[in-house]
Amino acid sequence: GAGVSQTPSNKVTEKGKYVELRCDPISGHTALYWYRQSLGQGPEFLIYFQGTGAADDSGLPNDRFFAVRPEGSVSTLKIQRTERGDSAVYLCASSPSGTWGETQYFGPGTRLLVL
Amino acid sequence: KQEVTQIPAALSVPEGENLVLNCSFTDSAIYNLQWFRQDPGKGLTSLLLIQSSQREQTSGRLNASLDKSSGRSTLYIAASQPGDSATYLCAVRDNYGQNFVFGPGTRLSVLP
Repeated sequence: GAGVSQTPSNKVTEKGKYVELRCDPISGHTALYWYRQSLGQGPEFLIYFQGTGAADDSGLPNDRFFAVRPEGSVSTLKIQRTERGDSAVYLCASSPSGTWGETQYFGPGTRLLVL
Repeated sequence: KQEVTQIPAALSVPEGENLVLNCSFTDSAIYNLQWFRQDPGKGLTSLLLIQSSQREQTSGRLNASLDKSSGRSTLYIAASQPGDSATYLCAVRDNYGQNFVFGPGTRLSVLP
């Protein structure tokens, strides 16, 4: 079946602009996660959704970052007033129910470059 | 705060060698530990998931061990092949949250 998909695959924007990154999880997965991966580093947790609600947003770096999942499926990560330091690969993952023993299935990521 | 480190940062070996990748974590109160593979420009592929009550998991040429009390895991790759070339990431899920905490990865090159 289809895996986790993310669009766009690449995004180039200018400092100060607003961007939206989209994640389509595996169908039926109730848990969805966003991570950010800087060059040469492992992914860092941003936010976790269980259904439509953000169960843990402790990883969001500041209030310029916001994510939604209005219907419990597709999620959008929104970044306002982008800064050069926001340049990274943004990874989305999903899991069937969010129980702690489950693995997470990752998408290919969106590579964001802020000029 | 949980911190995960991986040694070495990069490794280059000739084809056919057996090799070991190391992962260390600071807080032993983990729920599980997972090894992932990441190819350039691609997402992460799960290799092995070890629950905290387990000591090892095996899949084909891969074997992962977990010593929770000492905060260590190793990934053993037998008879390495050029197709094994990738970055290998270790991640722990602790008892406090749903997310994984990742190490920085080991970049492996297997030379033909």
